[in-house]
Order: sequence, then C-alpha cells, then structure tokens
Amino acid sequence: DSGVTQTPKHLITATGQRVTLRCSPRSGDLSVYWYQQSLDQGLQFLIQYYNGEERAKGNILERFSAQQFPDLHSELNLSSLELGDSALYFCASSVGRSGLTDTQYFGPGTRLTVL
Amino acid sequence: DAKTTQPPSMDCAEGRAANLPCNHSTISGNEYVYWYRQIHSQGPQYIIHGLKNNETNEMASLIITEDRKSSTLILPHATLRDTAVYYCIALSLNSGNTPLVFGKGTRLSVIA
Repeated sequence: DSGVTQTPKHLITATGQRVTLRCSPRSGDLSVYWYQQSLDQGLQFLIQYYNGEERAKGNILERFSAQQFPDLHSELNLSSLELGDSALYFCASSVGRSGLTDTQYFGPGTRLTVL
Repeated sequence: DAKTTQPPSMDCAEGRAANLPCNHSTISGNEYVYWYRQIHSQGPQYIIHGLKNNETNEMASLIITEDRKSSTLILPHATLRDTAVYYCIALSLNSGNTPLVFGKGTRLSVIA
C-alpha cells in the first residue's frame, strides 16, 4: 500500500458526459501528479500540482482539467468524454522537495470506460 | 531527461536472479536512474534509485557502471509475484518534483 488513495476504482459512463476522479496523496506530500495509461499510448504524464498551484503540464487535453485543494487532495475533471478517453488514470504524490531526490508513489488507479 | 533503452521482454526462472539491463548513454551528471515496476494494471511501484554508487534495498540492487551509461536492476531471488513491466527512468532533479517519463519498459516473466 503506497498511501495514495484514488476513488472511484471503476467508472463507466457514456460519450459526452463529464466525470471527476479524486486523489488523496500520502500524508505530508505536497506534490500530486496525474498520469493516463491507455493500451496504445502507455503511461503518460498529464498534469502536476504542488501545494495548490499548477507546476507542470504534459499531454493533457483541453477537455481535461485538474485542481489541488487546500487539504492537498486533487481532482481530475474529464468532460465531453470520447471513446478514446477510456484508460487507467493514476495519481502519484511526492514530498515535493526541490533539488533533492523526490520519489513518486502511485495510487491504485481509476479505470474509466467510456461507452 | 536522458532517453533510456530497455529490452522489451525477458524470462527468468523462479528462484534465480533476474538481471534487467538499461542503457542510458546520454545521461548527464545530475540525472538519477530510477526503477519502477507495474504489475498488471496496478499503479507503478517504486523499486530503487541511484546516482553513481551501487544501491541495495529490501527489494533489489542497482548496479550503475562507472561511466554511468548503463545500469542493471537485480532481483536476487525472483518469484512469480515479480512478473511485471519494469521501467528504467533517468530523472533530472535540477528543477525538483519532475514528472516521470515512462518508456515501454521490460516485461519480465518469472517462470515456475
């Protein structure tokens, strides 16, 4: 158990809908990362937050957005869903120390199926 | 961050050592070598990391060549539960909190 929790574990929805995925980082971690894993693309970085502020952006679509709240949990919002958005979505957290080794620990993931 | 190259797949007999190679010939002096693994559809799991010295923890050993152009992850006594995709990642920490860039990794199959 990494200490990172994600809900829900599974999500099935229809095209055009909007969903919210939730992540609670390990106690004391300030950085939260979101990754997407689809069959054809592998694990890809989407977006990172550090202590409530957006820190880095990866291959995140404009239909997707995220935020990190004052209690440090994070939510990933996916809207106007398409079949191709079906994937595993992982959240990771790290302490967030700049300039030092900063290991990321991953949650169990949310499996999103868009029908 | 430096690109890493790994063989796509490897087999290992249960109970034997699994040696997973990684090539990172363009690695720079401030880049660490990190290893993660992903057991089928689970979240990636941190294994070990190092800069230039060899490292060992309860899961594995990491051997980094003197020129730092390659490394080997060693699972000393592989079990069936070690069957997973193993990712070698070169990570610069100049800017801190750097997102991970996953390649295709090595699919290790431990065989009974």
